[in-house]
Amino acid sequence: DIQMTQSPSSLSASVGDTLTITCRASQTISNFLNWYQLKPGKAPKLLIYSASSLQSGVPSRFSGSGSGTDFTLTISSLQPEDFATYFCQQSHSIPLTFGPGTKVDIK
Amino acid sequence: EVQLSESGGGLVQPGGSLRLSCAASGFDFSAFAMSWVRQAPGKGLEWVSVLNGAGGSTYYADSVKGRFTISRDNSKNTLYLHMGSLRAEDTAMYFCAKQFAVVTPFLSWGQGTLVTVSS
Repeated sequence: DIQMTQSPSSLSASVGDTLTITCRASQTISNFLNWYQLKPGKAPKLLIYSASSLQSGVPSRFSGSGSGTDFTLTISSLQPEDFATYFCQQSHSIPLTFGPGTKVDIK
Repeated sequence: EVQLSESGGGLVQPGGSLRLSCAASGFDFSAFAMSWVRQAPGKGLEWVSVLNGAGGSTYYADSVKGRFTISRDNSKNTLYLHMGSLRAEDTAMYFCAKQFAVVTPFLSWGQGTLVTVSS
């Protein structure tokens, strides 16, 4: 199974900040890496697929990069609605696996 | 607009069974693979099972293999998860999610249904 790790596990930020979350796969997964946003009581939302492609309807302040084993999610000019938990996930092989999540809260 | 709505969750005793449903609308249901993903309280996301559009190809996480069965009724635009031999560690919010194919991103998700396994 492919293990996914994320860092940091949590961070505090302010509106307007730029933040970066990293994700690492235990083996190479090419660009089969996706990012999701999860808020309590709401449906999870796909933000980025194939490491760097922005899902339709997602604001352009979200961006992704990386390939192989190391990936990043960057949120530029953080907005109030961006305070949430973010998960990376590999779609390279079964079982599909997620990172443990990064919780972004208000400083 | 894509809509996914889960139902069927509740409180069940250890060793018991439950069937979850996911009603889909707004897209050609039979053309898409569907998964169940769960989140235990205070924990991260865990993929549970996936089924291709035609319903002939299924995969399961090791943690549920032999106890859970995924199925779909394309005439009713509904996905199911039959859960048996339930354990306390199966307690979680269960989400259904739409995918292009079995090993692809989760494009759209429902809001989930809560399953609690406790005596």
